[in-house]
Amino acid sequence: NAGVTQTPKFQVLKTGQSMTLQCAQDMNHNSMYWYRQDPGMGLRLIYYSASEGTTDKGEVPNGYNVSRLNKREFSLRLESAAPSQTSVYFCASLGWSYNEQFFGPGTRLTVL
Amino acid sequence: AQSVTQPDIHITVSEGASLELRCNYSYGATPYLFWYVQSPGQGLQLLLKYFSGDTLVQGIKGFEAEFKRSQSSFNLRKPSVHWSDAAEYFCAALNYGGSQGNLIFGKGTKLSVKP
Repeated sequence: NAGVTQTPKFQVLKTGQSMTLQCAQDMNHNSMYWYRQDPGMGLRLIYYSASEGTTDKGEVPNGYNVSRLNKREFSLRLESAAPSQTSVYFCASLGWSYNEQFFGPGTRLTVL
Repeated sequence: AQSVTQPDIHITVSEGASLELRCNYSYGATPYLFWYVQSPGQGLQLLLKYFSGDTLVQGIKGFEAEFKRSQSSFNLRKPSVHWSDAAEYFCAALNYGGSQGNLIFGKGTKLSVKP
């Protein structure tokens, strides 16, 4: 089991560029999440998906879109990157019986 | 609104000293509670979790946490800190009442360990 995987690990964008962060889990979990982590702010929920085909906004969704491609994959897209989106992005999936969220290793994104 | 508060932004302790990191939650009902640790440049690792039952929970790496309903607290403790414990610690609560199982995080406490 690879758990939760994220690509890429690092990315530098220029303002206005677009990109997609990929996330996949091999634990057959239904729910998946995207968080961003900023210094002094903890982790904040961007979007989540309770099941394949459904997505919902979290606390900080502006500037992002998501796609739950299938049960395994949940991608996060920045259509027009802004410096305020410089952050570390974590994907997670929710274990059975709400036991635990499993986190990916993160993507460190810098927008210049 | 639901929230998790970690009052201490940064704590420094000497190696071998005891440690207590504070966490308070604001929820309508008792949530599922978690402590995660994040080493520099790394992802989040689960230390321990509380759902119900015994209010003293044992975790990995010698950590424990005590749930106190009357104080809405879930403080993390370790009797003797090691230099390798230097990291950032996050308390989180999961709202199991909803279908989405959102995690709400505190803002974190950075732990420094003096030799």
